[in-house]
Amino acid sequence: KAGVTQTPRYLIKTRGQQVTLSCSPISGHRSVSWYQQTPGQGLQFLFEYFSETQRNKGNFPGRFSGRQFSNSRSEMNVSTLELGDSALYLCASSWWGRDGETQYFGPGTRLLVL
Amino acid sequence: AQTVTQSQPEMSVQEAETVTLSCTYDTSENNYYLFWYKQPPSRQMILVIRQEAYKQQNATENRFSVNFQKAAKSFSLKISDSQLGDTAMYFCAFMKLEGAQKLVFGQGTRLTINP
Repeated sequence: KAGVTQTPRYLIKTRGQQVTLSCSPISGHRSVSWYQQTPGQGLQFLFEYFSETQRNKGNFPGRFSGRQFSNSRSEMNVSTLELGDSALYLCASSWWGRDGETQYFGPGTRLLVL
Repeated sequence: AQTVTQSQPEMSVQEAETVTLSCTYDTSENNYYLFWYKQPPSRQMILVIRQEAYKQQNATENRFSVNFQKAAKSFSLKISDSQLGDTAMYFCAFMKLEGAQKLVFGQGTRLTINP
């Protein structure tokens, strides 16, 4: 079974631009979560989607948004990019997003903001 | 809010040795889940082992085992017979019950296995 895939793998943008990252979960998985990883802040939870609904959101500004489609694929969008948004963005999926359910991570999208 | 602390930023051992990575956490929850993930240079985050807080028995997975001390809020990972492929960043993570899949991660321990 194919794992979690994320596209693109690498991205370079300039300040003020916006970016959309995509995540395809493992087949059959309905919960998708997003995390931001930076050297300074470590791994931080962005949000989680299940059945096209955002169930939980981390402490990030409104410039960070996401959505989930009926096939469970998810996208996250960052508008008005800032230098501090440079990070590795990880997507993770699980079957139902139930308590303690194991999350399987994708390879990440590395975003560089210049 | 929950916090997870990994006090060892870096560790280095020789191949075939046993190594223990430390993790402590702070929570007022009684039921929760704990995980260890590894992130090799490829950056792909891989689950190593998980522990349910309501289970007293420590989880084991081949060469990997944990020492879960609920009262002390400690969750260490032991790697036996370490291999070169174990070289990676290791993250301890916490998930509370009904936490909607939100993992709270520690800062990580960079483990190097030397030949």
